Amino acid sequence: SQELEQSPQSLIVQEGKNLTINCTSSKTLYGLYWYKQKYGEGLIFLMMLQKGGEEKSHEKITAKLDEKKQQSSLHITASQPSHAGIYLCGADGSGATNKLIFGTGTLLAVQP
Amino acid sequence: DTGVSQNPRHKITKRGQNVTFRCDPISEHNRLYWYRQTLGQGPEFLTYFQNEAQLEKSRLLSDRFSAERPKGSFSTLEIQRTEQGDSAMYLCASSLAGGARYEQFFGPGTRLTVL
Repeated sequence: SQELEQSPQSLIVQEGKNLTINCTSSKTLYGLYWYKQKYGEGLIFLMMLQKGGEEKSHEKITAKLDEKKQQSSLHITASQPSHAGIYLCGADGSGATNKLIFGTGTLLAVQP
Repeated sequence: DTGVSQNPRHKITKRGQNVTFRCDPISEHNRLYWYRQTLGQGPEFLTYFQNEAQLEKSRLLSDRFSAERPKGSFSTLEIQRTEQGDSAMYLCASSLAGGARYEQFFGPGTRLTVL
């Protein structure tokens, strides 16, 4: 079965610093989703990547899917306290059902 | 479009009681998913519907769990004879259709505490 591993598990950065979160899959990814979650709340959709080499940006967040489609990275530029939360990557392992498998998440804290 | 909504947001129950949660997806979405999330973990897939048809159930979904989507719109998830191990956040998501081309949008979740 497919597994997703996220690194780091937690991260504390000073406001204004850049950071990167990685998501590695044990199998080829047909679709890779990035979500953000505040503690005790639902998941907020950030971005979806499908094609190898694809890169998407929204405001100060950029996500990439590598050519082999087994790893994705999420990069935040000039972090702000509003970026704090849990970042989750989710993957569709079959490309058909859209049933997502998730990593364990990366907890991000941004110190003012 | 008000997004995916879930009710109740919180539920506290005693062991052995039955509970039912409701999910209202984004109105034009055909696919509806249920996930369960425990503390410190990512969500785990439970089941999904294409319109009113339940197409797949995870092995995590024991026979005490039942989900329905009778008219292809809202869905309910019922847990019978709750156990302390059922305590978790239950998340609902919807998407326009199947396949990796479609974004999956989540509701705020229902947090269940079984005493």
